Amino acid sequence: DTAVSQTPKYLVTQMGNDKSIKCEQNLGHDTMYWYKQDSKKFLKIMFSYNNKELIINETVPNRFSPKSPDKAHLNLHINSLELGDSAVYFCASSHIGTGRNEQFFGPGTRLTVL
Amino acid sequence: DQQVKQNSPSLSVQEGRISILNCDYTNSMFDYFLWYKKYPAEGPTFLISISSIKDKNEDGRFTVFLNKSAKHLSLHIVPSQPGDSAVYFCAASATGGSTLGRLYFGRGTQLTVWP
Repeated sequence: DTAVSQTPKYLVTQMGNDKSIKCEQNLGHDTMYWYKQDSKKFLKIMFSYNNKELIINETVPNRFSPKSPDKAHLNLHINSLELGDSAVYFCASSHIGTGRNEQFFGPGTRLTVL
Repeated sequence: DQQVKQNSPSLSVQEGRISILNCDYTNSMFDYFLWYKKYPAEGPTFLISISSIKDKNEDGRFTVFLNKSAKHLSLHIVPSQPGDSAVYFCAASATGGSTLGRLYFGRGTQLTVWP
């Protein structure tokens, strides 16, 4: 009964490939997020969806495209992978209606681009 | 432009003693603050939070203090235990306006509690 799950946990791929990371939450939250943690361990938000609608879209290359088929899922598709995309990607969810915004994180996906 | 700063990348404390982790922020619109704990190869887990209408919030061994005038918050862990060894992230949000839902994170402080 994992709250926020991500697949795969590890992803090793070649430059130029296209890959997807999937995220699911069973907490009934209305908002989901993607974060990138780079080599300096800094957690940076990439995207946020509220009720399937994009509400945060940071300065991220358009090779990154989030897709939210429903409130419980937020997938991240990355085209033409580059070396600099190597990082740990975290999915998170929250219910922003409370005004508290305690986000619950998935275990992360470590992406390595060779 | 880092709006939440954790200036100590690491802290080492003996078991049983107090651990104090510090965090500073620059945006006066922030009104809700959170601490997350992260073990290796896991996602951050929510630990404790505080609203800007309070200056202290306590949950068991964990207490968060907020000094709004100094734009500073701290997390106290008493007594520290070896299982507390992890990276601690401070985060802040402005619960209204266009930043709804967004958390701003510090870079984290690695806490090591030794026996």
